[in-house]
Amino acid sequence: KAGVTQTPRYLIKTRGQQVTLSCSPISGHRSVSWYQQTPGQGLQFLFEYFSETQRNKGNFPGRFSGRQFSNSRSEMNVSTLELGDSALYLCASSLQTPPRDTQYFGPGTRLTVL
Amino acid sequence: DQQVKQNSPSLSVQEGRISILNCDYTNSMFDYFLWYKKYPAEGPTFLISISSIKDKNEDGRFTVFLNKSAKHLSLHIVPSQPGDSAVYFCAAAAAGNKLTFGGGTRVLVKP
Repeated sequence: KAGVTQTPRYLIKTRGQQVTLSCSPISGHRSVSWYQQTPGQGLQFLFEYFSETQRNKGNFPGRFSGRQFSNSRSEMNVSTLELGDSALYLCASSLQTPPRDTQYFGPGTRLTVL
Repeated sequence: DQQVKQNSPSLSVQEGRISILNCDYTNSMFDYFLWYKKYPAEGPTFLISISSIKDKNEDGRFTVFLNKSAKHLSLHIVPSQPGDSAVYFCAAAAAGNKLTFGGGTRVLVKP
């Protein structure tokens, strides 16, 4: 089975722009979660989608949004980018309900905001 | 407010010896705990988990211990191998399933 794929792998944007990141889960997995990893903060939970519905949300401003499509693929969007949004964005999929169903992570998208 | 803390940012250990990674949490509602390993340029990989109804769980060379009264968990790797060199994250979840991660501990296993 193919693993979790994320595109693009690297992205450079400037302040004020917006960005869309994409995640394709493992085939058959219905849950997709997004995390932000920064050197000082570790991994922080952004949101989780299950069957196109947002089931959980972390403590991030409304500039961070996401959605899930009927084929379980997910996108996250960050509007009005700030320098502090520079991070590795990780997507994870699981069969049903994380974390008791194991989450499988993609390699991440490295976003740099200049 | 960091609800899950890994106070040691790094750990160096000789091959064949035991690696002990520690993690403290503050939220008494956490009832499920996990450890992940991360290599550079890869996403985290699930290692082992433990439910709050247990105090120990073993999987091969990896054992996780949970001390609920101290709100402390630890991961033991015995014996340590050079391929274990990575960043290790502990994570915790309460009902509702949102995962809270610690800041990570970088482990270096010297041959």
